[in-house]
Amino acid sequence: GAVVSQHPSRVICKSGTSVKIECRSLDFQATTMFWYRQFPKKSLMLMATSNEGSKATYEQGVEKDKFLINHASLTLSTLTVTSAHPEDSSFYICSAAQGGQRGYGYTFGSGTRLTVV
Amino acid sequence: GENVEQHPSTLSVQEGDSAVIKCTYSDSASNYFPWYKQELGKRPQLIIDIRSNVGEKKDQRIAVTLNKTAKHFSLHITETQPEDSAVYFCAASLSSNTGKLIFGQGTTLQVKP
Repeated sequence: GAVVSQHPSRVICKSGTSVKIECRSLDFQATTMFWYRQFPKKSLMLMATSNEGSKATYEQGVEKDKFLINHASLTLSTLTVTSAHPEDSSFYICSAAQGGQRGYGYTFGSGTRLTVV
Repeated sequence: GENVEQHPSTLSVQEGDSAVIKCTYSDSASNYFPWYKQELGKRPQLIIDIRSNVGEKKDQRIAVTLNKTAKHFSLHITETQPEDSAVYFCAASLSSNTGKLIFGQGTTLQVKP
């Protein structure tokens, strides 16, 4: 089946630094990738939608200059948390839309636990 | 935009009993409704989904019903087992392959042995 590889799985960084999270679709082309964040015991909140070769579309309340999304190829989307602060600590997870010959549905990455100290 | 409401937030049942989780959505154009099970710190796992042209779908002990008129859908788990204990999320999308997926708030299901 479709697989999305997400790295790193865990990262601890200092306040003020930037962290990049990668999501790769391993056996299919993901023209659309969704980025979510999840606080403990909470739901998955959609942050933005990225489409290959175009600018990401951010949900209301999400700072696009803080959460930089790049979708430079059909198999790779990245989320960079810039100037991270403790309140950015969260579980970040990507989801690729399948479609085409692979049919329908969404494939999730394994998530990244970000801790900002 | 789409808004998905999920109830209850917690549900405790005895092993062997049935569990029902309900969701409502706001956008009548939504046409794809998946249900996910999430273990702590893991990715959501799709357990069943339904499209708007179907009213009910069943897979062994799990079933989902959809009422398009009322804009609500429900997850039914029969003969619950302790390993069913997890957080369950409903979601809604305008398309099952390219539309953004909006999640409900989640239900923590506890199945007591």
